[in-house]
Amino acid sequence: DGGITQSPKYLFRKEGQNVTLSCEQNLNHDAMYWYRQDPGQGLRLIYYSQIVNDFQKGDIAEGYSVSREKKESFPLTVTSAQKNPTAFYLCASSIRMGNQPQHFGDGTRLSIL
Amino acid sequence: AQKVTQAQTEISVVEKEDVTLDCVYETRDTTYYLFWYKQPPSGELVFLIRRNSFDEQNEISGRYSWNFQKSTSSFNFTITASQVVDSAVYFCALSGVRYNTDKLIFGTGTRLQVFP
Repeated sequence: DGGITQSPKYLFRKEGQNVTLSCEQNLNHDAMYWYRQDPGQGLRLIYYSQIVNDFQKGDIAEGYSVSREKKESFPLTVTSAQKNPTAFYLCASSIRMGNQPQHFGDGTRLSIL
Repeated sequence: AQKVTQAQTEISVVEKEDVTLDCVYETRDTTYYLFWYKQPPSGELVFLIRRNSFDEQNEISGRYSWNFQKSTSSFNFTITASQVVDSAVYFCALSGVRYNTDKLIFGTGTRLQVFP
């Protein structure tokens, strides 16, 4: 079945540690996105990528980094510079940029040890 | 600036009741898109509908209907004869075409609980 796979489902980070969240899609979509969701808040855009080897900062990119070396993959690294990383992270993709519906994975919950 | 307001934080209804989720938006774009997504307890967001700013026709899909009114900048979502499976958090979102960046601006969501 086509879709977006995020792993792991739960992740724990120690102080000063970088962690990487995986996002893979087999929908043949050009555009991919990372969102952060905090309790009682809407989703906020961290990074997005319109095409392979290209990505742009979203509204809350500080403390995060991404890469887009393959069309199917858009991993997110939460660096030690992100002081409040505890949140639910959602990856999404759309067929292309231009207000198309976005399809979401089922998220990774990141917590601090 | 673009903004989406979902003033209802949580709504509880009993099965078979009708329920309306409110969404009010702000944008300076003349062309924009509005979306509704459903987030069940499993976590992923499920796309429900996309409506562009030039199409004010109401839409019905089964028990779901949407009322788009540009005059009041609202895009409300009604579930008729609600069911327990409708329990979820529902998000309204807005995107503009000015920069073609596909950035979605989300509201804070409305948690709907449908009790049997």
